[in-house]
Amino acid sequence: SQQGEEDPQALSIQEGENATMNCSYKTSINNLQWYRQNSGRGLVHLILIRSNEREKHSGRLRVTLDTSKKSSSLLITASRAADTASYFCATALNDYKLSFGAGTTVTVRA
Amino acid sequence: EPEVTQTPSHQVTQMGQEVILRCVPISNHLYFYWYRQILGQKVEFLVSFYNNEISEKSEIFDDQFSVERPDGSNFTLKIRSTKLEDSAMYFCASSEFVGDNEQFFGPGTRLTVL
Repeated sequence: SQQGEEDPQALSIQEGENATMNCSYKTSINNLQWYRQNSGRGLVHLILIRSNEREKHSGRLRVTLDTSKKSSSLLITASRAADTASYFCATALNDYKLSFGAGTTVTVRA
Repeated sequence: EPEVTQTPSHQVTQMGQEVILRCVPISNHLYFYWYRQILGQKVEFLVSFYNNEISEKSEIFDDQFSVERPDGSNFTLKIRSTKLEDSAMYFCASSEFVGDNEQFFGPGTRLTVL
């Protein structure tokens, strides 16, 4: 079944550095969304990029989408300790259903 | 800022018992969803709901599961006879529209079936 798969599984960076994670998927999508989850907590919506968009920014976040390669990337610039979390891409297969990947665990060291 | 709320935060039940998980979606949202996340696994779609009807459901959402909007604010997920493998974090989500629209998630209910 359609799923987003994140890469890498885990990432450890120094505060102030940039963090980049990638998401690949298998079939056509309506849009792709990125979420953050702090340990044991709920999912926080970060950004949505539509299938006809190539790049989107929100604060320190930059998302790209390459539909020809069926991949997306999330860049967090100037990382902070509070960015420590798991990050998930979710592909919208249709109007209703999001399909989540396994996530990238990001640790920002002070 | 409006948010989705869920109660209880943690529910412990015995195998075979019925549980009802409650959610209050964002007030002007019309589309509602349940997802679950088994410990260490991916978040999985269960069901979507609009206009008092199920819009779509996954293969996980079998006859043991049901959803209801009993009043103008609550959205519930009922599991009739819980199994050990139902232990998971259950997330409610809502969206204002469908299509290219964000789904906003609640904090989750951790269900433990003993």
